[in-house]
Amino acid sequence: GQQVMQIPQYQHVQEGEDFTTYCNSSTTLSNIQWYKQRPGGHPVFLIQLVKSGEVKKQKRLTFQFGEAKKNSSLHITATQTTDVGTYFCSGGSYIPTFGRGTSLIVHP
Amino acid sequence: DSGVTQTPKHLITATGQRVTLRCSPRSGDLSVYWYQQSLDQGLQFLIQYYNGEERAKGNILERFSAQQFPDLHSELNLSSLELGDSALYFCASSKGLAGKEQFFGPGTRLTVL
Repeated sequence: GQQVMQIPQYQHVQEGEDFTTYCNSSTTLSNIQWYKQRPGGHPVFLIQLVKSGEVKKQKRLTFQFGEAKKNSSLHITATQTTDVGTYFCSGGSYIPTFGRGTSLIVHP
Repeated sequence: DSGVTQTPKHLITATGQRVTLRCSPRSGDLSVYWYQQSLDQGLQFLIQYYNGEERAKGNILERFSAQQFPDLHSELNLSSLELGDSALYFCASSKGLAGKEQFFGPGTRLTVL
């Protein structure tokens, strides 16, 4: 079946440093979604990418969808303590398949 | 607030018992998804209903079942509970059939003793 791998599993950064998480699928995706889950909270939708090579920005967050539509990345510039949480990617148009997530820990 | 409600927030029960988790989707959303989240398994898709009909099935055990009612709320039934069923269970809803953004409820934390 379809697999979505995410790396790294954990990332510790100093406040102000950049952060990137990568998502790789075993199959071509029709689209990919990114979610953020704060500690003790529930996943919250961030963005959806649909087109090959698509790049979208939300303030300090930059999302990319690979040309082959099998990988994606989320980059945060100048992290803040409010960025703490686990970031999940999700692909699969029929069976939603989530990556294991990358937990971001920001040290002030 | 996502607009998705789940009850109860916490549930503590014993092995072998049966429980029912309830979810009300956002107004206008026809799809309801159920997920299990545990520390070592991440977010696992269990099952999806769309407008009352089962749409997609993931890694759902035979001891688990779900349904979506005419008013679109959904229930997840877990029976013959085992220690390993202890987890956070999320419900999510979306407008479309598949591939659309999902809005997650606050979850039900199930503890099986």
